[in-house]
Amino acid sequence: DAGVTQSPTHLIKTRGQQVTLRCSPKSGHDTVSWYQQALGQGPQFIFQYYEEEERQRGNFPDRFSGHQFPNYSSELNVNALLLGDSALYLCASSPGQGAGTEAFFGQGTRLTVV
Amino acid sequence: AQSVTQLDSQVPVFEEAPVELRCNYSSSVSVYLFWYVQYPNQGLQLLLKYLSGSTLVKGINGFEAEFNKSQTSFHLRKPSVHISDTAEYFCAVTFNQGGKLIFGQGTELSVKP
Repeated sequence: DAGVTQSPTHLIKTRGQQVTLRCSPKSGHDTVSWYQQALGQGPQFIFQYYEEEERQRGNFPDRFSGHQFPNYSSELNVNALLLGDSALYLCASSPGQGAGTEAFFGQGTRLTVV
Repeated sequence: AQSVTQLDSQVPVFEEAPVELRCNYSSSVSVYLFWYVQYPNQGLQLLLKYLSGSTLVKGINGFEAEFNKSQTSFHLRKPSVHISDTAEYFCAVTFNQGGKLIFGQGTELSVKP
């Protein structure tokens, strides 16, 4: 089992550009969540996808959007990049929506905005 | 609003010494609690979780944590640490189905020989 895989591992973008990050969940998992981890901070919840719909959303602007495909993989899109969007973006997958379900995290994508 | 506070940003400790990493949360509803570890340039790995039942929870790598509802705490402990335990540790809570996690700021554990 490959676990949760994210691509790319590192990315450098210029302010104002758009970026797409990708995530393949652990085998058997149908729920994908995205988190932003700024340097020296804990991860902050961006949103969660289940059955190809956004189910929960954190306190992030509309510049952050996502998608989930029928095979449960997911994309995170960020438009009009700001310097403050530089962070480690973590994808987590879990088997369903049950309370207390364990989330498995990928290695993350390190985004640097210059 | 629900929140998680990790009381120590850095904890230096010598190898084979005991360690406690402190975590407090605030919530008016029932919670589920987690501790994750993050090694440099890696994602998060679950150490242990509390869902219900016994308040003392044992996890991987010899770690354990105790849920104290009256003090709204979930402190992580290990009786004897190793150099390889050097990492960032995050306490997290979830309050509802769906599993949105709210994380603390993290505690950097540094184990010295």
